[in-house]
Amino acid sequence: SAVISQKPSRDICQRGTSLTIQCQVDSQVTMMFWYRQQPGQSLTLIATANQGSEATYESGFVIDKFPISRPNLTFSTLTVSNMSPEDSSIYLCSVPRENTEAFFGQGTRLTVV
Amino acid sequence: QKEVEQNSGPLSVPEGAIASLNCTYSDRGSQSFFWYRQYSGKSPELIMFIYSNGDKEDGRFTAQLNKASQYVSLLIRDSQPSDSATYLCAVDNQGGKLIFGQGTELSVKP
Repeated sequence: SAVISQKPSRDICQRGTSLTIQCQVDSQVTMMFWYRQQPGQSLTLIATANQGSEATYESGFVIDKFPISRPNLTFSTLTVSNMSPEDSSIYLCSVPRENTEAFFGQGTRLTVV
Repeated sequence: QKEVEQNSGPLSVPEGAIASLNCTYSDRGSQSFFWYRQYSGKSPELIMFIYSNGDKEDGRFTAQLNKASQYVSLLIRDSQPSDSATYLCAVDNQGGKLIFGQGTELSVKP
């Protein structure tokens, strides 16, 4: 299985600021995915990070709020912009393996105060 | 809107019993189905995947898929306290994009 390193593992941020989360994979992958898990909730897909093109966002998520970079096939970042307490969540990156099963990084636990 | 529904929890079983977790999905074209286990404060961990109708066994875990009924389940035999976690059912939407159910919290009592 792929080794996925995500950082920071947790952070406490002031409202109105931005946080950039990094995801590093130990092998080249075509697609990387970013999920959000709000407190007590399941995972919701934010967007697909495609190398060499714009990220594809799911309904309810916009680029201005969650800009994503994908500079190469092993790395992606997700920025949570202009944060409010409602953004307090766990953010996870994932990569698919050959049979589409998704493997997750350890997640970033974000608290906005 | 494609949906994945899991039986509401929490589910409590005694140690050594069989825990049965259920999941239904709305998209009849779905092909790949996954069960993840998530311990509190941790990221989801893949425990089973299944693509074909029928049963798939891996140790104490058995996944069952019935595409006609759009139903997938996970059985945990000889449940252990260490199995206490939230179990997430996920369905592949498109090439690695997963739709998750709301999760079922399982508690195994010693």
